[in-house]
Amino acid sequence: GAVVSQHPSRVICKSGTSVKIECRSLDFQATTMFWYRQFPKQSLMLMATSNEGSKATYEQGVEKDKFLINHASLTLSTLTVTSAHPEDSSFYICSASPGPGSYEQYFGPGTRLTVT
Amino acid sequence: DAKTTQPNSMESNEEEPVHLPCNHSTISGTDYIHWYRQLPSQGPEYVIHGLTSNVNNRMASLAIAEDRKSSTLILHRATLRDAAVYYCILIYNNAGNMLTFGGGTRLMVKP
Repeated sequence: GAVVSQHPSRVICKSGTSVKIECRSLDFQATTMFWYRQFPKQSLMLMATSNEGSKATYEQGVEKDKFLINHASLTLSTLTVTSAHPEDSSFYICSASPGPGSYEQYFGPGTRLTVT
Repeated sequence: DAKTTQPNSMESNEEEPVHLPCNHSTISGTDYIHWYRQLPSQGPEYVIHGLTSNVNNRMASLAIAEDRKSSTLILHRATLRDAAVYYCILIYNNAGNMLTFGGGTRLMVKP
């Protein structure tokens, strides 16, 4: 099946700094990628839809100036958590689909962010 | 989107079959029933999906009620590696798109 990678797998940063997380589709092109956040013992919550070549669409309650999304190519989307705070500590997961005709979403392995 | 209801957790013994139920009483005619699972500290992975007929693949079987208001994911022989959270998700028109995750069922497998 198709593969989606994320980098880094885990990151620890100090409060107030910014962190960039990369999501890559390794063997297919994805015009749309999705970013989810998952707190401990909770389900995945969609944060935003990343569209190649255009602005991301954010879910209600997600600050677009804090969570910057860039989808500059058909195989790469990045999520930058700006001015991170301890409450941003979470598991961030991206997903992508090869496109029309594909029913399956392929998920990355996730990035564990810890803000100290 | 139509909502699904699953038990919070279930327990199984290794090597025994597991039946994971899902209720979706407000399902529409164009909603496909998808199952994903999330192993600990990993992203979710696709398990199986169906519309009306029962489905089998190498991972599991999906039994869909005749009225489509419920479905059951069947793991024929649970292994310790099957311990995960299983999510039942309805997808309109089977379009590969963002997924709305409910609480899922945490499956614990005892040796």
